[in-house]
Amino acid sequence: EVQLVESGGNLVQPGGSLRLSCAASGFTFDDYAMHWVRQAPGKGLEWVSGISWNSGSIGYADSVKGRFTITRDNAKNSLYLQMNSLRAEDTALYYCAKGITFGGVIINDAFDIWGQGTLVTVSS
Amino acid sequence: IVMTQSPDSLAVSLGERATINCKSSQSLLYRSHNKNYLAWYQQKPGHPPKLLIYWASTRESGVPDRFSGSGSGTDFTLTISSLQAEDVAVYYCQQYYGTPPYTFGQGTKLEIK
Repeated sequence: EVQLVESGGNLVQPGGSLRLSCAASGFTFDDYAMHWVRQAPGKGLEWVSGISWNSGSIGYADSVKGRFTITRDNAKNSLYLQMNSLRAEDTALYYCAKGITFGGVIINDAFDIWGQGTLVTVSS
Repeated sequence: IVMTQSPDSLAVSLGERATINCKSSQSLLYRSHNKNYLAWYQQKPGHPPKLLIYWASTRESGVPDRFSGSGSGTDFTLTISSLQAEDVAVYYCQQYYGTPPYTFGQGTKLEIK
């Protein structure tokens, strides 16, 4: 079964840091680009970041650029999001999502598999 | 690229057609590939989004054929030909053209009339 399982979400103070993880199974992880998408409580979807199969192509939303870093470990079938200088507006459910295009070279892609999400709350 | 959906909410009777529109602030058509970089997702309460349509009109495997996508350039439509009770959800369009960011529309809430 194709599956993505996020972890690492927590309550953190403004200015703090957090590292999210996404464990992939059921497909060849290094054949696809991967992404993080977030959803603030009661709000819509916001693409956060994406990474190609070999980390050669990486992109960020303007709202997180310079504060968040996306990485992947293909040997561990895992995706990560290091989040620094967190703000109240970063409070959201963070989803890990798989790009649909085989090869994983491009990050401009639709997302065919999603995890259940991990909740990040930034509050004092 | 700004994505604008209309309407924000929609109530349709069971068995009737539901139509959701999505407009992009610039063309999503990559002419050399003749593909529109536009996807549609369905999200039910408490669940992650589910991919319905990509390349503007290609139905994802397992998606019922009552769901269809159309349009090109800047104007796109998701049509549900005969609304079923299980189609109640929020629907999002998303552009994935060129360089980031890959933006979503604000969402359209679909309910039963």
